Amino acid sequence: AQSVAQPEDQVNVAEGNPLTVKCTYSVSGNPYLFWYVQYPNRGLQFLLKYITGDNLVKGSYGFEAEFNKSQTSFHLKKPSALVSDSALYFCAVRVYNFNKFYFGSGTKLNVKP
Amino acid sequence: EPEVTQTPSHQVTQMGQEVILRCVPISNHLYFYWYRQILGQKVEFLVSFYNNEISEKSEIFDDQFSVERPDGSNFTLKIRSTKLEDSAMYFCASCLRGSYEQYFGPGTRLTVT
Repeated sequence: AQSVAQPEDQVNVAEGNPLTVKCTYSVSGNPYLFWYVQYPNRGLQFLLKYITGDNLVKGSYGFEAEFNKSQTSFHLKKPSALVSDSALYFCAVRVYNFNKFYFGSGTKLNVKP
Repeated sequence: EPEVTQTPSHQVTQMGQEVILRCVPISNHLYFYWYRQILGQKVEFLVSFYNNEISEKSEIFDDQFSVERPDGSNFTLKIRSTKLEDSAMYFCASCLRGSYEQYFGPGTRLTVT
């Protein structure tokens, strides 16, 4: 069965510090991996994706993520957190050739001034 | 910037009633999706739609659910006989062919009483 795990319900970080939001996946086939952000009472907003190529992908608002095939992970990172980064973050996976996406349970990121 | 729109923003209905949730995807997008999210928790895939037919659906998407693209702009989700457990936020999303980056609407909050 295909699945995505976000092991941390919440991540707390001080403004200016680096942040990491973890994601692991389990799929049978080549994964397409995504990160989305959700602000309160809003829809999800695309941040970045990994389809193929370089394992380190860069996205919106200074976020990046690294695809690690051996660890089946796709952790989201940012070198210096901002208070405005505080939101709910979702990792998602799509299996090649299937038009279906699996989302993780979400990680609430709290960035404190 | 083009946006996915959804109407209504909030729908209250009684158990057993039919509801239709409406979405207007971005005009040049070809892939359409419905998701639901219960109480700000996990985002659950319901169905994907391409070329006027369902391409994938989840176990949640049973005979009570149907989707339709009645004209060139709208994409609807119908729940024939609502249950209490159908109470959730329903998100519509669309994407360009080959991009896999989904653009989400703001959601419709469905409350079944």
